[in-house]
Parts: sequence; C-alpha cells; structure tokens
Amino acid sequence: DAGVTQSPTHLIKTRGQQVTLRCSPKSGHDTVSWYQQALGQGPQFIFQYYEEEERQRGNFPDRFSGHQFPNYSSELNVNALLLGDSALYLCASSRPQGREKGFGSGTRLTVV
Amino acid sequence: QQQVKQSPQSLIVQKGGISIINCAYENTAFDYFPWYQQFPGKGPALLIAIRPDVSEKKEGRFTISFNKSAKQFSLHIMDSQPGDSATYFCAASPYRASAGGTSYGKLTFGQGTILTVHP
Repeated sequence: DAGVTQSPTHLIKTRGQQVTLRCSPKSGHDTVSWYQQALGQGPQFIFQYYEEEERQRGNFPDRFSGHQFPNYSSELNVNALLLGDSALYLCASSRPQGREKGFGSGTRLTVV
Repeated sequence: QQQVKQSPQSLIVQKGGISIINCAYENTAFDYFPWYQQFPGKGPALLIAIRPDVSEKKEGRFTISFNKSAKQFSLHIMDSQPGDSATYFCAASPYRASAGGTSYGKLTFGQGTILTVHP
C-alpha cells in the first residue's frame, strides 16, 4: 500500500447510471492519474491531473471525466454506464517531478 | 507503437528457482521502465524500475535487465518463494514536460504474467 486511498472499495450500478469515484493521493504527492483494469488485463490509462488540470488523456470516451481539488484529491466520474465499464478503477499518485507512481487498492465497479 | 508486449502469460516455478518475465516495446520515447507486483484485491505495487542509461539494476532478489537496442527488458526473480506468487506487470512511460511545471507521462502496461511458485 503506497498511502493512496480510494473510496468506495466496491460499487454496484445499473446501466445508464452515473458514478463518482474518489481518490486521496499520498501525502506530498501532487499528481493523480486514473487507470481502468479489466479482469485479467493490465491497467489502462484514463487521464492524469496536475495543478487541477487534465494534462493527458487516454483512449476513453467523454463519458469519463475527472476533477482535481486544491488539496490534490481527485474524482473520476463516469456517465451513462455500460456493462463494459465493469472493472477495477485504480488511482495513482506521484510526488512533484517524480516518476514513481504509487497505486491505491482500487474501486471495484460492477455494472448490471 | 504505444504497446508493451509481455510474456509469458503464466509461469510456474519451483521454490528456489529463477522466474523470468520478458517485455518488449516499440516507442523509443519511453525512458522509464518499472515493474509492478499485484496481489488479488490489491492495486499494483512498485517492485523495481530502470532507466535506459543502465543495462541492469538489482534490488535484493529482483533484477531488471535492459537491452536498449533490442527494445526489450526483463525481470528476474532469484530464489523464488511461494510468497512471490502474484501477477507481475511491466510498464513504460515517456518523459513529458508541460509548460509551467513538470508532468511525467502516462504508464503503458503489459498484459501481465501470473506467477505461481510451488513449495
């Protein structure tokens, strides 16, 4: 555990609903990234936030959006949920100018 | 060009043996290569990482070998133990600077290797 905390740990939603996942970075870290990990796959980059702005984005539709707050914590929002959005959502943080990313334990999202 | 290819998909090793996992990449902009270990229900945990200016890095029982010309890198686990049984991911990221500060690039992960170490 790298000190990154995510909530909730598990979540069940119905198709078409919206969901918000939360992440608190490790103390001293200012950059937050979100990843989606489907069962049996490696994590896929969704986007990265630094100085409250989205700095990079992966190949995810606009249904995926995020926010970073002044205290560096972050939210991931997913609208119009699809069955295929079921996955483990991971948050990673890194310190200023740091390459090492620490991951939280993730939020397991199940869409039914 | 953004892919990182990892092999094998699964690996079974006897206790005390050597586990070897290989990765290959195409994007020459990658300049940071970490390995992560993931247990069920947990997020990935950084094991060891290497930059392309060195060919090998060792930390305890874990060694990364890096071949820049071949664009390949591998993880060697010496004296493998049952507690090492987990899924291992290689990853790579490019350096990326943004105006007004420094923002490092995204991690691109391999598909993962499920390692089982038998007692």
